[in-house]
Amino acid sequence: DAKTTQPPSMDCAEGRAANLPCNHSTISGNEYVYWYRQIHSQGPQYIIHGLKNNETNEMASLIITEDRKSSTLILPHATLRDTAVYYCIVRVAWGESNYQLIWGAGTKLIIKP
Amino acid sequence: KAGVTQTPRYLIKTRGQQVTLSCSPISGHRSVSWYQQTPGQGLQFLFEYFSETQRNKGNFPGRFSGRQFSNSRSEMNVSTLELGDSALYLCASSLQGVPGNTIYFGEGSWLTVV
Repeated sequence: DAKTTQPPSMDCAEGRAANLPCNHSTISGNEYVYWYRQIHSQGPQYIIHGLKNNETNEMASLIITEDRKSSTLILPHATLRDTAVYYCIVRVAWGESNYQLIWGAGTKLIIKP
Repeated sequence: KAGVTQTPRYLIKTRGQQVTLSCSPISGHRSVSWYQQTPGQGLQFLFEYFSETQRNKGNFPGRFSGRQFSNSRSEMNVSTLELGDSALYLCASSLQGVPGNTIYFGEGSWLTVV
């Protein structure tokens, strides 16, 4: 089962910041949080990932709470092309080499003009 | 630098046939994973290969198999196709497949079983 909980859908006005929340209350100390998005059933596009520190790249920022039980993906200036399903994923680790991405249902983000 | 390449992009097969899908990872990446995506089940992990060895396996029947070659390219095979195997099959690659590695996906192979 997915270890993350996301709202099924969100709207955001074009040009505004889109803040996508994710709960992962059962996350373990060595498990990373990954964010991907998928447009029209194309392959998932990598956005960002982090362990416990906030991360920023050219696409987005990832804010992880101090207790690591939740995180927020921030798209600073949303455009219509950011309309997609956004997946927050905890990379589950069993043992030394068994790692999987366990996917939930994601958040459908709709950017409105 | 080229991304993850999957072939073919689209294919139609008949029940009972078998199919082979191919994946070329990003240059230098040694871990290749396969996922199945269907409307009802979402994205589900099939298996992962690293250095030509299957390292991890999801909960799929034995009809689903794969392999990885010395150049890290990977293939997956589905035998005795069923209608329920119709799905988008996604390949992902990363450097070592360890926590913290960035994982990149290909565009997928759309399989329709009729």
